[in-house]
Amino acid sequence: SSELTQDPAVSVALGQTVRITCQGDSLRSYYASWYQQKPGQAPVLVIYGKNNRPSGIPDRFSGSSSGNTASLTITGAQAEDEADYYCNSRDSSGNHLRVFGGGTKLTVL
Amino acid sequence: QVQLVQSGAEVKKPGASVKVSCKASGYTFTSYGISWVRQAPGQGLEWMGWISAYNGNTNYAQKLQGRVTMTTDTSTSTAYMELRSLRSDDTAVYYCARDTQRYLGYCSGGSCYADYWGQGTLVTVSS
Repeated sequence: SSELTQDPAVSVALGQTVRITCQGDSLRSYYASWYQQKPGQAPVLVIYGKNNRPSGIPDRFSGSSSGNTASLTITGAQAEDEADYYCNSRDSSGNHLRVFGGGTKLTVL
Repeated sequence: QVQLVQSGAEVKKPGASVKVSCKASGYTFTSYGISWVRQAPGQGLEWMGWISAYNGNTNYAQKLQGRVTMTTDTSTSTAYMELRSLRSDDTAVYYCARDTQRYLGYCSGGSCYADYWGQGTLVTVSS
């Protein structure tokens, strides 16, 4: 079982806004990073830190955090955003171990 | 540009060992760590562990302790992940990724994440 919990699946209409959430006790102390993975491809970092996007990631991707929940928001979802999304952070052991959420399958309708 | 190039696919029998390599280029190897992540068929991502390319410190996921060893060769900017006593449920794609944790507890910019990933190596464990 994962210490970070994500909804297994979320859908959004083309051009609308969607929020993908990640819950876990460790998120009260540490930021989550978010990864996008399309079928047959390696994961790609989309958000890190408080709300930072790597070069090349569209600004429709943003991150936020409140209490034990981190969120990835896509404002104006595009067809190419259909993918699996994973959050990652430290676990709650205090030993600098990391853990991934179970992943959220995003469908763009 | 930053690149991580992994070794090719492997087929192993149960009980055997596998060693996957990850050659880095385009950045100062010792300024970052390397994380290893695996993904079983149809499943999610699983963090396996991390190694500092700066001082060789490691930190392994508890479920793999005793079976996994991560090493680096700074002369060739290459990281290695060896997994022993392979079982069928170790069948997965194994990824290496550059990690901002340079040494244990210290992350560039204050947050820890994996920013560049290798292409993945499929390891199949089958009798």
